[in-house]
Amino acid sequence: DAGVTQSPTHLIKTRGQHVTLRCSPISGHKSVSWYQQVLGQGPQFIFQYYEKEERGRGNFPDRFSARQFPNYSSELNVNALLLGDSALYLCASSLFTSGTIYEQYFGPGTRLTVT
Amino acid sequence: AQSVTQLGSHVSVSEGALVLLRCNYSSSVPPYLFWYVQYPNQGLQLLLKYTSAATLVKGINGFEAEFKKSETSFHLTKPSAHMSDAAEYFCAAQTPTGNQFYFGTGTSLTVIP
Repeated sequence: DAGVTQSPTHLIKTRGQHVTLRCSPISGHKSVSWYQQVLGQGPQFIFQYYEKEERGRGNFPDRFSARQFPNYSSELNVNALLLGDSALYLCASSLFTSGTIYEQYFGPGTRLTVT
Repeated sequence: AQSVTQLGSHVSVSEGALVLLRCNYSSSVPPYLFWYVQYPNQGLQLLLKYTSAATLVKGINGFEAEFKKSETSFHLTKPSAHMSDAAEYFCAAQTPTGNQFYFGTGTSLTVIP
């Protein structure tokens, strides 16, 4: 089975622009989470989606938004890009069940550079 | 709020020596705990997870971790380091509700031949 896939692999944008990152979960997984990993730091939780609904949100500004589609793939959108948004954006999928532990499977990430 | 602290951003060990990577969590309610490994330019791979079934958890590649509630710790160990263990290691916590996930800042492990 294919793992979590993300596109594009790399992206260069200019300050003020908008970006859309895409993620396809493992077949059968209905939950997708997004993380931002700034160089030299641990991943920071941005969003979790399950069955097309937002189930969790980290401490990120409203410039960050996401959605999940009926096929469980997901998009992360970032508006009005800042230099500080430069990071590796990771997507993870899981068989999420509220109140229980669940394993997350991570994709290789999208490297976003804002100039 | 939940947080995860990893003591030591860089750890160096000789090949064949014991690996010990430290992780402490803060919460009145013990969360679910994980260790992940990240190789350069790759995503994260799950090493092991604590599910409350047993305090000593065995994972892949010979790693294990012990959950100690009294110390709010979940340290990662491996008896004998291999060169291939050189990577970035992250401790992470999932809230019991499952809708929040917290990572530590990571520990870079170097294995010296």
